[in-house]
Amino acid sequence: ETGVTQSPTHLIKTRGQQVTLRCSSQSGHNTVSWYQQALGQGPQFIFQYYREEENGRGNFPPRFSGLQFPNYSSELNVNALELDDSALYLCASSKTSGNGEQFFGPGTRLTVL
Amino acid sequence: GIQVEQSPPDLILQEGANSTLRCNFSDSVNNLQWFHQNPWGQLINLFYIPSGTKQNGRLSATTVATERYSLLYISSSQTTDSGVYFCAVRNSGNTPLVFGKGTRLSVIA
Repeated sequence: ETGVTQSPTHLIKTRGQQVTLRCSSQSGHNTVSWYQQALGQGPQFIFQYYREEENGRGNFPPRFSGLQFPNYSSELNVNALELDDSALYLCASSKTSGNGEQFFGPGTRLTVL
Repeated sequence: GIQVEQSPPDLILQEGANSTLRCNFSDSVNNLQWFHQNPWGQLINLFYIPSGTKQNGRLSATTVATERYSLLYISSSQTTDSGVYFCAVRNSGNTPLVFGKGTRLSVIA
């Protein structure tokens, strides 16, 4: 059984650019959630996708957007990057969108200069 | 929204010692997970424990849902146990998993 994978591992961008991060969910999981983890903090929920629809969103501006594909993999897009967007971005998958256990990928570390 | 508090924020142990990490939450939950974050940032699932007690090797966890807290026990700690331990909860179907600020554990030889 393949776990959650994310790409790329590391990324460096400049302020104002756009970035796309990718996540493949664990086999048999149909729900993907994205989190942002700033240095020294716990992960903060960005949004969740279930069957290709966004079904929950945290306190993040619209320049954070996402997609989920028919195979349940997902993308996180961030437009107009700001310095404060520098963080570890974590993707998690679960079997259901309800109270199912979430499993996390290794993360993408984004640095905005 | 639901609040999660973890204590202590930092813990330094000698190898072989035991420890107890606490997670308090402000509302009823239907999901509670404990994670260990390694130095590379990977969140490792330790327990899915919305209620009751579970054990896995040297680690065990207890959640008392009616009193809104969970405890993670680490026995005979090893240097590889070092890292940050997070508690995360959700309290209804489509609400997000809410994380505490974590407990940073350092085990020294």
